[in-house]
Amino acid sequence: DSGVTQTPKHLITATGQRVTLRCSPRSGDLSVYWYQQSLDQGLQFLIHYYNGEERAKGNILERFSAQQFPDLHSELNLSSLELGDSALYFCASSVAGTGTLETQYFGPGTRLLVL
Amino acid sequence: GESVGLHLPTLSVQEGDNSIINCAYSNSASDYFIWYKQESGKGPQFIIDIRSNMDKRQGQRVTVLLNKTVKHLSLQIAATQPGDSAVYFCAENRAGGENKLTFGTGTQLKVEL
Repeated sequence: DSGVTQTPKHLITATGQRVTLRCSPRSGDLSVYWYQQSLDQGLQFLIHYYNGEERAKGNILERFSAQQFPDLHSELNLSSLELGDSALYFCASSVAGTGTLETQYFGPGTRLLVL
Repeated sequence: GESVGLHLPTLSVQEGDNSIINCAYSNSASDYFIWYKQESGKGPQFIIDIRSNMDKRQGQRVTVLLNKTVKHLSLQIAATQPGDSAVYFCAENRAGGENKLTFGTGTQLKVEL
């Protein structure tokens, strides 16, 4: 158990809908990262938040957004869902943020299925 | 068009043998490398890391070797056990960058009894 929690574990929804995935980092970690794992793209970085501020964006679609709250939990919002958004979404956390190279610890993931 | 799943290289080893999983990375500016293990239905689990100022690091039953000249990383697992069966990913990061991990495709390790 990495100490990173994610809810829900599974999510089934329809095209065009919007969903929110939630992540709680390890105690003491200030950075949260979101990754998408799909069959055809592997593990891809989406976005990084540090202490409530966005620090880096990767291959994140405009339909997707995220935020990190004062209690450091983070939410990833996916809207206007398409079939191709079906994937595993992982959250990871680390102690600090940019400027340091640290291990990122991953949560168990949310499996999203868009029908 | 039809999407095709990633074809993962597969390494099959006998229980008790040593396993060597290889990874080639592309960014010569990468400073930090991590090996993760991912079991079916679970998130990537940290195994071992190494910084670019080192060429070898050992953990419990695992050793990571880094060859910066040819941009190659390997993970050696000693006395492989059935519980080691999983997909193994290498990931790289770069100092001064965005602190995002870039993952390799992964290798499926199968341990045969």
